[in-house]
Amino acid sequence: EPEVTQTPSHQVTQMGQEVILRCVPISNHLYFYWYRQILGQKVEFLVSFYNNEISEKSEIFDDQFSVERPDGSNFTLKIRSTKLEDSAMYFCASSEGRSSGNTIYFGEGSWLTVV
Amino acid sequence: AQSVSQHNHHVILSEAASLELGCNYSYGGTVNLFWYVQYPGQHLQLLLKYFSGDPLVKGIKGFEAEFIKSKFSFNLRKPSVQWSDTAEYFCAVTGGSYIPTFGRGTSLIVHP
Repeated sequence: EPEVTQTPSHQVTQMGQEVILRCVPISNHLYFYWYRQILGQKVEFLVSFYNNEISEKSEIFDDQFSVERPDGSNFTLKIRSTKLEDSAMYFCASSEGRSSGNTIYFGEGSWLTVV
Repeated sequence: AQSVSQHNHHVILSEAASLELGCNYSYGGTVNLFWYVQYPGQHLQLLLKYFSGDPLVKGIKGFEAEFIKSKFSFNLRKPSVQWSDTAEYFCAVTGGSYIPTFGRGTSLIVHP
């Protein structure tokens, strides 16, 4: 079964440093997403991306965050200047289409620890 | 806006016990409902989903869920759990938005 893959699986970074989390969505999918889960809390939506632009974003996705599809396969989340509260599991996901019945497929997550 | 509540945050069972995990959503219109599972060290996987039709939905690994519209619920059930069912279980809903809203998750530990 095709999978969404994410790298790195775990990253430790110092506060204030920039972090890039990478994702390879399923190849025929057109919509891409980033979610995060702070330990013990809900899985929270950050941003969705379609046709090389952000289609929706949450309040969490402020100016320190950005997303990019630098080539035909990768989808990246950049955190410009990390804060302690950015420590979380970040999930990339993709789907074929955009409808409320569409299944979204998730990657294994990238665990970010900011120290 | 849509929202999801999972009331059981931690559940501990012995093998062969029956399982029911609660999920309630709030949204006034038509919804689609999902249960995802995350096994230790693995990605979120779809267990089952409800779009329309029969409110009793069967998923993988012997799981099922029942959509009760009057109760705004979509509880997950399994008649007899196994040690390998130890995982985190997430309920999610789409309704007003195509983007799923997740519950907080329920951690299930099954003792052999």
